[in-house]
Amino acid sequence: GAGVSQSPRYKVAKRGQDVALRCDPISGHVSLFWYQQALGQGPEFLTYFQNEAQLDKSGLPSDRFFAERPEGSVSTLKIQRTQQEDSAVYLCASSYFGREQYFGPGTRLTVT
Amino acid sequence: AQSVTQLGSHVSVSEGALVLLRCNYSSSVPPYLFWYVQYPNQGLQLLLKYTSAATLVKGINGFEAEFKKSETSFHLTKPSAHMSDAAEYFCAVSDSSGGGADGLTFGKGTHLIIQP
Repeated sequence: GAGVSQSPRYKVAKRGQDVALRCDPISGHVSLFWYQQALGQGPEFLTYFQNEAQLDKSGLPSDRFFAERPEGSVSTLKIQRTQQEDSAVYLCASSYFGREQYFGPGTRLTVT
Repeated sequence: AQSVTQLGSHVSVSEGALVLLRCNYSSSVPPYLFWYVQYPNQGLQLLLKYTSAATLVKGINGFEAEFKKSETSFHLTKPSAHMSDAAEYFCAVSDSSGGGADGLTFGKGTHLIIQP
């Protein structure tokens, strides 16, 4: 079956612009995670959803970052007023009731 | 708080040689440990996981890892390296089985280079 998909795969934004990154999880997966991976680093946890409920947003670096999953399926990570330090790969992962996390290919965000 | 430390940001081995990638963890609760592989421009793929059953865990592509509580280690090994093993490898820790009910904490990664 289809894996986790993310769009766009690449995004270039000028500093100060807003961006929206989309994640389509595996069908039926209850849990959804967002991670940020800076160049040369491991992924860092941003936020976690169980169905439509955002249960943990402790990793969001600032109030410019916002995530939603209104119908418990597709999720959007929004970054307002982008800064250069937001440049990174944003990874989405989904899982079924506490089992293995399956990762998407990521969205590479470059802020110029 | 949990953390993992991967020793060596780059490891180079000859094709056919033993692969050893090191991972040490810190956790205040019994940990669940994972190794992921990332190929260029792709997402992470799970190689293997330790969830408190057998201490020697076998994964995909001939990789295995041994959980050693006394050393707080979970090193990844493969007896004979193949060119297709060249990739970035990440060790991760979670306090949830399967890593699927909580965020994973990753190490910084080790880039594995295979010399022909």
